[in-house]
Amino acid sequence: GEDVEQSLFLSVREGDSSVINCTYTDSSSTYLYWYKQEPGAGLQLLTYIFSNMDMKQDQRLTVLLNKKDKHLSLRIADTQTGDSAIYFCAESIRGSQGNLIFGKGTKLSVKP
Amino acid sequence: DAGVTQSPTHLIKTRGQQVTLRCSPKSGHDTVSWYQQALGQGPQFIFQYYEEEERQRGNFPDRFSGHQFPNYSSELNVNALLLGDSALYLCASSLDGPQGYTFGSGTRLTVV
Repeated sequence: GEDVEQSLFLSVREGDSSVINCTYTDSSSTYLYWYKQEPGAGLQLLTYIFSNMDMKQDQRLTVLLNKKDKHLSLRIADTQTGDSAIYFCAESIRGSQGNLIFGKGTKLSVKP
Repeated sequence: DAGVTQSPTHLIKTRGQQVTLRCSPKSGHDTVSWYQQALGQGPQFIFQYYEEEERQRGNFPDRFSGHQFPNYSSELNVNALLLGDSALYLCASSLDGPQGYTFGSGTRLTVV
């Protein structure tokens, strides 16, 4: 079945790198996404990766995809206090117009 | 660009009542999806509307229904409210392509 798993909490010091991990089960995933949710707000798309790619870099964000292990990670370089939020991994199985399957989210706390 | 707008932002209803939530998609987007996010959980797909028809549906009962209008805006209706329907309801709009969805800030529904 379809399932996306994430660790629930991550705490880092300001200036360090953060790595948020995600595993998914459906091998027919086409796109994988990372969303950010701040308290009381909706979801903000951070980045996405197509399933035939291994890596994507966008400024401070690096996404790594290991399709064999169905493992996705998001690395945030030089983490700032403003990065404190909940980060959701999501997979789209039927292409970009397909419904998104979300994990439960990883709460990132950045300590000054 | 106003992005995705949802109304109302907060709502309190009594068990057994009916509720209608509204969504205006981002300018230029033609597809609207609705998600339910319970406290501490990731969003769960309810259904998606395209060309005024329900194109996909998640695992939600028939008490959940929707509509899309010619201007692409959408409504989510929930009948016979249960306490368990208390959640943040997120609307997302999109165009075909890998950019994923643009989410609104959501409607916080509390059923008492």
